[in-house]
Amino acid sequence: EIVLTQSPGTLSLSPGERATLSCRASQSVPSNYLAWYQHKPGQGPRLLIYGASSRATGIPDRFSGSGSGTDFTLTISRLEPEDFAVYHCQQYGNSYTFGQGTKLEIK
Amino acid sequence: QLQMQESGPGLVKPSETLSLTCTVSGGSISSNSYYWGWIRQPPGKGLEWIASISYSGNTYYTPSLKSRLTISLDTSKKQFSLRLSSVTAADTAVYYCVRQTLIRGDDNWGQGTLVTVSS
Repeated sequence: EIVLTQSPGTLSLSPGERATLSCRASQSVPSNYLAWYQHKPGQGPRLLIYGASSRATGIPDRFSGSGSGTDFTLTISRLEPEDFAVYHCQQYGNSYTFGQGTKLEIK
Repeated sequence: QLQMQESGPGLVKPSETLSLTCTVSGGSISSNSYYWGWIRQPPGKGLEWIASISYSGNTYYTPSLKSRLTISLDTSKKQFSLRLSSVTAADTAVYYCVRQTLIRGDDNWGQGTLVTVSS
């Protein structure tokens, strides 16, 4: 099983700042099948990024994904108030596993 | 716009069977382009994929729960269902139904339903 470790556990930033979230895999993710989701209370997660760097339909371009192999990053260039949420990474190249999540909170 | 809605009991007794249904609207469930799955999140923990099914009926289960799981698909009702037998408190979680694209991630999720296992 591919174990995903997300860091930091909590990130405190202000609107307008840049957010950088990390997801590290215990082994190489096949075909870089790595996705990022935004998760708000009372809602299902929302797909942001798939294939490590492709934005899903309707996702603003302030969200970007990068990385390959075992190290992946989600960057939010300029935080908007609605961006404060929990972010999950998921690998779907070898079964499906998720990271533990990063909570992005308002500083 | 595809919508997915989970339904089922919010409270299940230990040792009984948890049964959930996901109803799909605004789109087709009869496509080989997608899988239909269940993901759960126990309180204070991360997301966990538990089962998926294809339109052709191929099923996939997470190994740790495989012996207790059954996933099924009813295309006439545009529904798919999950059964988890012999539940314990460890199965308490928010359960989400999802549409899985295989190469583009899980692009549609239900809002989730909380299932509590307690006597």
